[in-house]
Amino acid sequence: EADIYQTPRYLVIGTGKKITLECSQTMGHDKMYWYQQDPGMELHLIHYSYGVNSTEKGDLSSESTVSRIRTEHFPLTLESARPSHTSQYLCASSSGGLAEAFFGQGTRLTVV
Amino acid sequence: SQQGEEDPQALSIQEGENATMNCSYKTSINNLQWYRQNSGRGLVHLILIRSNEREKHSGRLRVTLDTSKKSSSLLITASRAADTASYFCATGRIQGAQKLVFGQGTRLTINP
Repeated sequence: EADIYQTPRYLVIGTGKKITLECSQTMGHDKMYWYQQDPGMELHLIHYSYGVNSTEKGDLSSESTVSRIRTEHFPLTLESARPSHTSQYLCASSSGGLAEAFFGQGTRLTVV
Repeated sequence: SQQGEEDPQALSIQEGENATMNCSYKTSINNLQWYRQNSGRGLVHLILIRSNEREKHSGRLRVTLDTSKKSSSLLITASRAADTASYFCATGRIQGAQKLVFGQGTRLTINP
């Protein structure tokens, strides 16, 4: 089992609410990533970080924001959730940009 | 567009048969990786093959890489019901930001 954890596992929330999806890893990895995946579909990179105080937007435009204040922690925030944000969000980390990635179990978000 | 494209999108075979999935990509790569995703969960790394390697084995898995054709294949021998999952290839590009880019995945179903 990989030492990367996401909470909550499932979240149902009303439109307009602010939410934060948590992701933590205990492997000391510098590289961390957020992917968005609709059921049965491909993964889209929405944010990544190469270390503390380093964050970049991914290939898919997202209204979410991220922060990297500590190496082990990479939370994702939606200021005002909308039904279009309904999806699965997967967090991952790796020791290098092209190295094996370790994934959390994901957060399945439903905005009603 | 995504770097990797898996083929077929869905594959259904009988237990004990071999399963072959293919991945094509567009740009020069440092390595290519295969991941498995069980329904609704995070991805698990299976195998990594570097651009200077042509074939790699891990248990019942065999991966080939043809950089001249920009393609890779994943062979699962003697399939089991537990192999039912989605399989994704991910490429580590040489140029640009060092991050993995995932394909759309192949949904594999093993019938008992």
